[in-house]
Amino acid sequence: DSGVTQTPKHLITATGQRVTLRCSPRSGDLSVYWYQQSLDQGLQFLIQYYNGEERAKGNILERFSAQQFPDLHSELNLSSLELGDSALYFCASSVGVEGNTEAFFGQGTRLTVV
Amino acid sequence: GDSVTQMEGPVTLSEEAFLTINCTYTATGYPSLFWYVQYPGEGLQLLLKATKADDKGSNKGFEATYRKETTSFHLEKGSVQVSDSAVYFCALREGGSNYKLTFGKGTLLTVNP
Repeated sequence: DSGVTQTPKHLITATGQRVTLRCSPRSGDLSVYWYQQSLDQGLQFLIQYYNGEERAKGNILERFSAQQFPDLHSELNLSSLELGDSALYFCASSVGVEGNTEAFFGQGTRLTVV
Repeated sequence: GDSVTQMEGPVTLSEEAFLTINCTYTATGYPSLFWYVQYPGEGLQLLLKATKADDKGSNKGFEATYRKETTSFHLEKGSVQVSDSAVYFCALREGGSNYKLTFGKGTLLTVNP
C-alpha cells in the first residue's frame, strides 16, 4: 500500500458527460501529480500541484482541469468526455519537488467512456 | 523535450534466467533516473533510482547504473522469479523547476516456472 488513495476505482460513463476523480496523497506529501495511462500513449503526465498551487502542466486537454484543496487532496475533472478519454488515471504524491524525490502512486481510476 | 526509450516487450523468460531491459534517455539537464514496476491490477511502485552519473540503484536483486556517456539506465537481474512478472517502466525526472516524471512505454515481463 503506497498510502495514496484514489476513488473511485472504476468509472463507466457516457460520451459528453463529466466526471471527477479524487486523490488523497500520502500523509505529509505536499505535491500531487496526475497521469493518464492508455495503450497507445503510455503514461502521460497531465498536471502537478504543490501545496495548493499549480506547478507544472503536461499534455492536459482543455476539457480537463484539476485542483488541490487546502487539505491537500486533489480532484481531476474531465468534461465533454470522448471515447478516447478511456484510460487508467493515476495520481501520485511526493513530499517535495526536488528532482530526486520519490513519487508514490495510487492504484488508479479506470475510466471507461461508452 | 525529455524522452525515455525502453525496449519493446513482451519479454518471456524462464525462472532463474538473466534479465536485461534496455533504457535510454534524452534530457536537457541532469536528470534523476528511475525504474518503476507495475504488478497486475496495481499502481506503479518505485523499484530503484539513481540521481547522478555512475550511481547504481539496486533493490530486490535488480540493478541499474546511470551511464551519462551512453545516456542509459539498463535494468538487470541475475536470476528472475515468477513473482517478477510485471510491467517495468523506465523514467526520468529533471531537477530544478521541472517536476514531472517522463516515462518510457513500459516492458511486459513474463517469467515462466
